[in-house]
Amino acid sequence: GIQVEQSPPDLILQEGANSTLRCNFSDSVNNLQWFHQNPWGQLINLFYIPSGTKQNGRLSATTVATERYSLLYISSSQTTDSGVYFCAVERYNNNDMRFGAGTRLTVKP
Amino acid sequence: DTGVSQDPRHKITKRGQNVTFRCDPISEHNRLYWYRQTLGQGPEFLTYFQNEAQLEKSRLLSDRFSAERPKGSFSTLEIQRTEQGDSAMYLCASSRVADTEAFFGQGTRLTVV
Repeated sequence: GIQVEQSPPDLILQEGANSTLRCNFSDSVNNLQWFHQNPWGQLINLFYIPSGTKQNGRLSATTVATERYSLLYISSSQTTDSGVYFCAVERYNNNDMRFGAGTRLTVKP
Repeated sequence: DTGVSQDPRHKITKRGQNVTFRCDPISEHNRLYWYRQTLGQGPEFLTYFQNEAQLEKSRLLSDRFSAERPKGSFSTLEIQRTEQGDSAMYLCASSRVADTEAFFGQGTRLTVV
């Protein structure tokens, strides 16, 4: 099956710092999503981005499908950004979205 | 529309008992997924429905697990003869066929004692 690798596994920042999270995948995909898992376990949709670049406030994401990676940028981080960020991909003609192991982000005040 | 809804939010059961979880997807979504997540791991795919048809099942879905989606609306996931290793968060998601962006419910946290 498709492999999804996220880096770094853990990231500790001071409030106000910027960060870049990476997701590498091993095959062509028709779906790529970034999620933030809140402390209660719910997965919050950040971006649906199988290709291209999107921005939403302090967050932006870029997927380079031909090179099989995606990046999530967080600018001016806040303590509320803390949590686990997951990348998930779905291959063409497959119906199971595969998740990476996540990046645990801690933003300190 | 209030998003994907799961019930119950928490379930504590004794080993050997059967449990059933319910998922109500977003109303116009015809794709429905079940995932399982253990502590410190990413969600793992269990099974997938398109309308009422169960089209894909993971090897993780042992014969103690069964899922249904009658009439292509809500879905249930039943675990028979629960084991301590079944303790996990069970997540449900839904999407449209036309675009595959998936939305997740709040999950059901199962603890088997």
